[in-house]
Amino acid sequence: QKEVEQNSGPLSVPEGAIASLNCTYSDRVSQSFFWYRQYSGKSPELIMSIYSNGDKEDGRFTAQLNKASQYVSLLIRDSQPSDSATYLCAVSRPYYNQGGKLIFGQGTELSVKP
Amino acid sequence: DADVTQTPRNRITKTGKRIMLECSQTKGHDRMYWYRQDPGLGLRLIYYSFDVKDINKGEISDGYSVSRQAQAKFSLSLESAIPNQTALYFCATTSRTGELFFGEGSRLTVL
Repeated sequence: QKEVEQNSGPLSVPEGAIASLNCTYSDRVSQSFFWYRQYSGKSPELIMSIYSNGDKEDGRFTAQLNKASQYVSLLIRDSQPSDSATYLCAVSRPYYNQGGKLIFGQGTELSVKP
Repeated sequence: DADVTQTPRNRITKTGKRIMLECSQTKGHDRMYWYRQDPGLGLRLIYYSFDVKDINKGEISDGYSVSRQAQAKFSLSLESAIPNQTALYFCATTSRTGELFFGEGSRLTVL
């Protein structure tokens, strides 16, 4: 079982719709959760981080974390063609326990159609 | 100037050659990482270092070695490159919040 799993996609949504990206993880001591966006040929860039159960909103992005179910998701509202990219879920342990050692899922390719 | 700088950005080499990818950072972070990215496989951790005297293997360390020359410098070496090491390589550092700061990547092709 991979430590971090995502649906590879591609996920295709029409412009203006909500895109929902999902991620599960296997290490129960994981404490920090991140979503990175990566455009083709570029380095990943952080778009959301979440550390506690519940929802965290930042503009059009909402991250959701459920530690009991070992599940983290990213919602993108009012999707735009510029959101078309690969979205990487990453998980790490507490800083005092190999924290910062991020383990990534394989990424979900999102395509937003005009 | 970029906070995390990788050199070279692109390299084509032949099977059996020794290759070094270099990384330097100006963020003052202690923790540095080397990741490899292949299509459909996401980012896989090769090696990481939590300070100058600390080196740890990641998920896929076979065929690679690293050197942490200073807090700001972390090099990745392929002692004898093989074609399946053709990939995009990223160096990164972390803050205490766990956020990774990536370099721009080094694309390596082994013929």
